[in-house]
Amino acid sequence: QLQLQESGPGLVKPSETLSLTCTVSGDSISSSTYFWGWIRQPPGKGLEWIGSIYYSGSTYYNPSLKSRVTISVDMSKNQYSLKVTSVTAADTAVYYCARHPGYCSGAKCYYLSWFDPWGQGTLVTVSS
Amino acid sequence: EIVMTQSPATLSVSPGERTTLSCRASQSISSNLAWYQQKPGQAPRLLIYGASTRATGIPARFSGSGSGTEFTLTISSLQSEDFAAYYCQQYSDWLTFGPGTKVDIK
Repeated sequence: QLQLQESGPGLVKPSETLSLTCTVSGDSISSSTYFWGWIRQPPGKGLEWIGSIYYSGSTYYNPSLKSRVTISVDMSKNQYSLKVTSVTAADTAVYYCARHPGYCSGAKCYYLSWFDPWGQGTLVTVSS
Repeated sequence: EIVMTQSPATLSVSPGERTTLSCRASQSISSNLAWYQQKPGQAPRLLIYGASTRATGIPARFSGSGSGTEFTLTISSLQSEDFAAYYCQQYSDWLTFGPGTKVDIK
């Protein structure tokens, strides 16, 4: 059974870098038919897609966050990671990792799809 | 960016009632729409994708319909475990979510 688990610091200071890792169990992150994504949800608010990665390293980011976000993959550990730089209080949220169908063929990737399953989420608070 | 809207923001329903939630896209997204259920303190759970295909393990009382810009999620007979927030998500152009509809007990 596929499971995803987020991990990382729960408190980050303003202007610093938020770093989270998603550990995948029950499936290989090098599967050729899935992308691996990050989504966040500020307290009491809705969901926002942050970005996604394919095992080959191809990445797609939400244009509104692209300048501050980096997603990377570590196939040896079956993990992928998120970094958000220059954080502010507006980055306070529950961060989820989730798998979604997709694939890359040559230089073209097809990643627009639904998310299933999701990790349990981890709350990251930005505060001094 | 495709903007998703959902109505109503909150819906008060009695157990056993039929419930319909609406989701609208700012431009046509064909059938590239998913629905999720989220209970307090939990991650979202996929209910529907492709506008009308139930995800694995989702009860038949959940059904989705629509295409283009107008979509609905129908719960035929609301059970106690269905009181939750529901989000739609489009995957036609980037990936964006609606603001959600909260279904609570009347």
